[in-house]
Amino acid sequence: DTEVTQTPKHLVMGMTNKKSLKCEQHMGHRAMYWYKQKAKKPPELMFVYSYEKLSINESVPSRFSPECPNSSLLNLHLHALQPEDSALYLCASSQEPDRGHEQYFGPGTRLTVT
Amino acid sequence: GEDVEQSLFLSVREGDSSVINCTYTDSSSTYLYWYKQEPGAGLQLLTYIFSNMDMKQDQRLTVLLNKKDKHLSLRIADTQTGDSAIYFCAEEPGYSTLTFGKGTMLLVSP
Repeated sequence: DTEVTQTPKHLVMGMTNKKSLKCEQHMGHRAMYWYKQKAKKPPELMFVYSYEKLSINESVPSRFSPECPNSSLLNLHLHALQPEDSALYLCASSQEPDRGHEQYFGPGTRLTVT
Repeated sequence: GEDVEQSLFLSVREGDSSVINCTYTDSSSTYLYWYKQEPGAGLQLLTYIFSNMDMKQDQRLTVLLNKKDKHLSLRIADTQTGDSAIYFCAEEPGYSTLTFGKGTMLLVSP
């Protein structure tokens, strides 16, 4: 199983809503990542979890709150988002957090904030 | 910060070879990567090259690395319509971090 799954595929939310994005992998990977990708742009790293602990936060606003309940799951909790937060949110995982370990990406959640 | 540069668009005919070029910035990247993204989908790792190599071949894919010029290229032989996608090169400037180029849209016409 070399798959990273993400739910939901699409999400539309208002600026006052609270929602969560979910990511799951069963490859035994110990590093998991959240990326944000705007249209026609490359992915930008948001967070890295290494051995279930947050190791990198790329100055992401607090309206995005990551959580890693166990080694297979990664959540991104959303609250009071802005329309400019509309994007494709990609989850990835790698065997280890070190350099040189390939990152495997999920299909993404397309988020629209109205 | 400096950007990883790629040409934005490439159009080829089916059966031709495609060459996608990338100029990266971080000479300390241990590995350099090529990812493929089809419309509405996530990124698929295509191949990667260790920084002390200058060429890697993997079926229809050939990666060339010129470390002196920080230039990376991806050659796709016998390009098929299913190869139409956006191709991102990526460098690895630090622990757990990938920096992607802006992506090259490859359009393959029959």
